[in-house]
Amino acid sequence: GQSLEQPSEVTAVEGAIVQINCTYQTSGFYGLSWYQQHDGGAPTFLSYNALDGLEETGRFSSFLSRSDSYGYLLLQELQMKDSASYFCAVRRGSSNTGKLIFGQGTTLQVKP
Amino acid sequence: DVKVTQSSRYLVKRTGEKVFLECVQDMDHENMFWYRQDPGLGLRLIYFSYDVKMKEKGDIPEGYSVSREKKERFSLILESASTNQTSMYLCASSLGLAGYEQYFGPGTRLTVT
Repeated sequence: GQSLEQPSEVTAVEGAIVQINCTYQTSGFYGLSWYQQHDGGAPTFLSYNALDGLEETGRFSSFLSRSDSYGYLLLQELQMKDSASYFCAVRRGSSNTGKLIFGQGTTLQVKP
Repeated sequence: DVKVTQSSRYLVKRTGEKVFLECVQDMDHENMFWYRQDPGLGLRLIYFSYDVKMKEKGDIPEGYSVSREKKERFSLILESASTNQTSMYLCASSLGLAGYEQYFGPGTRLTVT
């Protein structure tokens, strides 16, 4: 089957750097996505890695190692507004229809 | 900007009622999805549609049905609402094969009493 694992909670202080890990087991791999969801809000797309390496978008970076079935989201210069849940997601199996399977989410709490 | 809208933010229904949740997207996306989100369980796929009148069951389709008569609109139907269907329901859409980027609506918090 397919599954993703990520920590349930992470706490960090404002201005710090935090890394949220995601390991996956899939029957076919097309890439790893990350989504952010604030409490009471809708998930929003953050990043996508199809190839190994680091992708940087402002304060957020995402990393993928296909050989290790592992990725992470790196948040730098943490701000209070970064307190949210973060989900990793992969495309389901060999499907080419855009269906994703999501991890259970990591709740990030940023403290002053 | 892609916009996905859902008919209600909050809904309270009684056990046994038939419930309709509507979702509309304005970017001509082929794919549309219905998820439910419960604490500790993440996002679980209920149904998926990849074209008008085309649908596929997701992971938890029992007790639900869907309708997609027009490309922009995807409806989720609870045939006979039960208390265990109390949840947050999220609709999403994505463009063709680029499914890694889904756009979500604001969600409907459904309470079944």
